[in-house]
Amino acid sequence: DGGITQSPKYLFRKEGQNVTLSCEQNLNHDAMYWYRQDPGQGLRLIYYSQIVNDFQKGDIAEGYSVSREKKESFPLTVTSAQKNPTAFYLCASTPRPDSITEAFFGQGTRLTVV
Amino acid sequence: KQEVTQIPAALSVPEGENLVLNCSFTDSAIYNLQWFRQDPGKGLTSLLLIQSSQREQTSGRLNASLDKSSGRSTLYIAASQPGDSATYLCAVSSSGTYKYIFGTGTRLKVLA
Repeated sequence: DGGITQSPKYLFRKEGQNVTLSCEQNLNHDAMYWYRQDPGQGLRLIYYSQIVNDFQKGDIAEGYSVSREKKESFPLTVTSAQKNPTAFYLCASTPRPDSITEAFFGQGTRLTVV
Repeated sequence: KQEVTQIPAALSVPEGENLVLNCSFTDSAIYNLQWFRQDPGKGLTSLLLIQSSQREQTSGRLNASLDKSSGRSTLYIAASQPGDSATYLCAVSSSGTYKYIFGTGTRLKVLA
């Protein structure tokens, strides 16, 4: 079945540590996105990529980094510079980069700082 | 700057009731609007996508309408069931951008 797979489902990070969240899609979609969700707030865009080897900052990119070396994969690294990383992280994809069509989401990764 | 608001934030209804969820947005120059469902601790499931040129979309017991001029969309759920209990999110994309702006959602509970 086609879809988006995020791993791990739960992740714990120590202070000062970098962690990487995985996002893989087999939908052959060109565009991929990372969102952050906090209680009582809407989803906020961290980074997005319209094509391989290219990505742009979203609204809250500080303390995060991404790469897009393959069409299927868009990993997100939460660096030690992100001061409040505890949140639910969602990866999404859309078929084309030139317009927003129907978005598909993964099941999310819950990151907790310990 | 586009802002999306969903009212009410939470709603409880008895099983079988028809209900309407509201979504409003401040900039009418949207490309499309999408309604999602989110179960606790899960990702988002797409329910309906309405292109800017459309007025409504239907899928089973769900009907979504769009009125761009007034900056509003409604999601109508007919004959609600306990399995409909979830958070419902709306999101809009604006022409020339590559991202959705999300509302904070309506948390629905359907009582058996």
